Amino acid sequence: DAMVIQNPRYQVTQFGKPVTLSCSQTLNHNVMYWYQQKSSQAPKLLFHYYDKDFNNEADTPDNFQSRRPNTSFCFLDIRSPGLGDAAMYLCATSRRIRAGETQYFGPGTRLLVL
Amino acid sequence: KQEVTQIPAALSVPEGENLVLNCSFTDSAIYNLQWFRQDPGKGLTSLLLIQSSQREQTSGRLNASLDKSSGRSTLYIAASQPGDSATYLCAVSTGDDKIIFGKGTRLHILP
Repeated sequence: DAMVIQNPRYQVTQFGKPVTLSCSQTLNHNVMYWYQQKSSQAPKLLFHYYDKDFNNEADTPDNFQSRRPNTSFCFLDIRSPGLGDAAMYLCATSRRIRAGETQYFGPGTRLLVL
Repeated sequence: KQEVTQIPAALSVPEGENLVLNCSFTDSAIYNLQWFRQDPGKGLTSLLLIQSSQREQTSGRLNASLDKSSGRSTLYIAASQPGDSATYLCAVSTGDDKIIFGKGTRLHILP
């Protein structure tokens, strides 16, 4: 009864080769998030969707893009991965945070860039 | 800009001891505060959620408190066990459906 599913769990890519990470949810939540987490660091929010409304963080590099074709799915595209993009990528969902709701996280995708 | 700080960064305690993890935040205008647990190489699991109007929440051996006016929260773990070893992250929610995380406290319970 997984609620937030991320595929793949581990992704190896080559420097500069585009890669797509996927996230799906069975919770029917309005909000979906993508975070980047490097070793011993706090998760860093890249962007989030409220329904189809896309919100990009000001310091998210242009190299990172996202798509949400429907309520259940959200994708993270890294157009030209660099060595510095190697990290754990976490997807999360919630109803409206301002309504006091929690976030539910997937298991993460660990990205390795060679 | 909201910032969340967690002290200490790492902590080792013998099994059976009670312990306190600390979290502070710079802007008291929050909707709620959460404590998460993260095991190595895994995602985050929500442990406790305290609404801005609440002072504390309890779940089993865990108790979290919130003092919004001073920008502080503590996570109290009673009778620690080796299975409690993990990284504990504090996060506060702001407007615009976002939450801001601290860097976490890496906890190691010694058998």
